[in-house]
Amino acid sequence: GENVEQHPSTLSVQEGDSAVIKCTYSDSASNYFPWYKQELGKGPQLIIDIRSNVGEKKDQRIAVTLNKTAKHFSLHITETQPEDSAVYFCAARRTGRRALTFGSGTRLQVQP
Amino acid sequence: DGGITQSPKYLFRKEGQNVTLSCEQNLNHDAMYWYRQDPGQGLRLIYYSQIVNDFQKGDIAEGYSVSREKKESFPLTVTSAQKNPTAFYLCASSQMSGTGLSTGELFFGEGSRLTVL
Repeated sequence: GENVEQHPSTLSVQEGDSAVIKCTYSDSASNYFPWYKQELGKGPQLIIDIRSNVGEKKDQRIAVTLNKTAKHFSLHITETQPEDSAVYFCAARRTGRRALTFGSGTRLQVQP
Repeated sequence: DGGITQSPKYLFRKEGQNVTLSCEQNLNHDAMYWYRQDPGQGLRLIYYSQIVNDFQKGDIAEGYSVSREKKESFPLTVTSAQKNPTAFYLCASSQMSGTGLSTGELFFGEGSRLTVL
């Protein structure tokens, strides 16, 4: 089955710096790659997603890039703010499968 | 407001007892899911359901059971056969496309934290 690896497990940046979280996936048939943000004591929320027919997608300070050949995708957060502090999960889903496979999560801490 | 409601938020159980976690959604979504979250392991799929009266095992279904008698409800029972049940449990839902596949976004509840004493 699909395996998604996520790095780093923890990341600390200064406010205003950029943060990058990377994921690799094993199933070349995967075609949907979302990123979720989980704040303390809450369920994860979708922040951005990308499909395999696109190489990059941006939404204000957040961007996701996808390299299908290398089977990895990354989340980029620019101009980080303290409210970006949370746990971030990447995920992947292959064509025909109903459910997502998640990475192990990255705890991002933005220092004011 | 539309959303997913999980209850209880915190639950303590003695070893050998079954416990049922509630999940209700008013988003009119067809698909519902249960994930288990452990520190450093991300979210692992327990069970999912695409339609009433039908459900499928996920990656870690052993020791769990579910039912889907109503579209809006997908309760999870953690049985005494689950060897390490202490965890954070997340319920989610998604809309299905005409091809029977999830359209993408999962909407999560706020979770239920189960502790076995």
